[in-house]
Amino acid sequence: LAKTTQPISMDSYEGQEVNITCSHNNIATNDYITWYQQFPSQGPRFIIQGYKTKVTNEVASLFIPADRKSSTLSLPRVSLSDTAVYYCLVVRDDKIIFGKGTRLHILP
Amino acid sequence: DVKVTQSSRYLVKRTGEKVFLECVQDMDHENMFWYRQDPGLGLRLIYFSYDVKMKEKGDIPEGYSVSREKKERFSLILESASTNQTSMYLCASRGAGAHNEKLFFGSGTQLSVL
Repeated sequence: LAKTTQPISMDSYEGQEVNITCSHNNIATNDYITWYQQFPSQGPRFIIQGYKTKVTNEVASLFIPADRKSSTLSLPRVSLSDTAVYYCLVVRDDKIIFGKGTRLHILP
Repeated sequence: DVKVTQSSRYLVKRTGEKVFLECVQDMDHENMFWYRQDPGLGLRLIYFSYDVKMKEKGDIPEGYSVSREKKERFSLILESASTNQTSMYLCASRGAGAHNEKLFFGSGTQLSVL
């Protein structure tokens, strides 16, 4: 399984762009990089997924360099409601392992 | 949208009781998962199932068992509940397509073992 490493916590302010970087040095050729968001007292929910280069959806962008050993989740113009835990996963097979995630705290 | 339903939002049990946590999904997903979540530890995989009657251990299976008699239902069983099993339990499901299939989670069951 590809192990991921991401910061334990981050603080930012409303209206700022937030970038959370995840390293996954032993990512394999067929692995996808997936990010989930979890609010308190809820299950995680899918945000975005990518294989290489850049992916954008209505919630976030995901930047993946050519070597794919890291990825960066970018949240544009965050609001207080973006306060949550963000998990980076590298999915290889059916056994899906979460790390401890990054606790993002948005300040007014 | 996929709906993953966990039978109880809150549950209080006594030490030594046999506890059943039920999870049902409505999207005909092959894969189902049970995680537990504790402060500071993130989500830890207990068991998963990739088909009816099939199961695989996750990272922390000790003290738990599972049952998957029907495709839509995945049960987590605590044979003899202990206080260190007090936790938030999360069920998830996923299709059996490529590795880029999304996980869909239930709302969780907060179990307290007294």
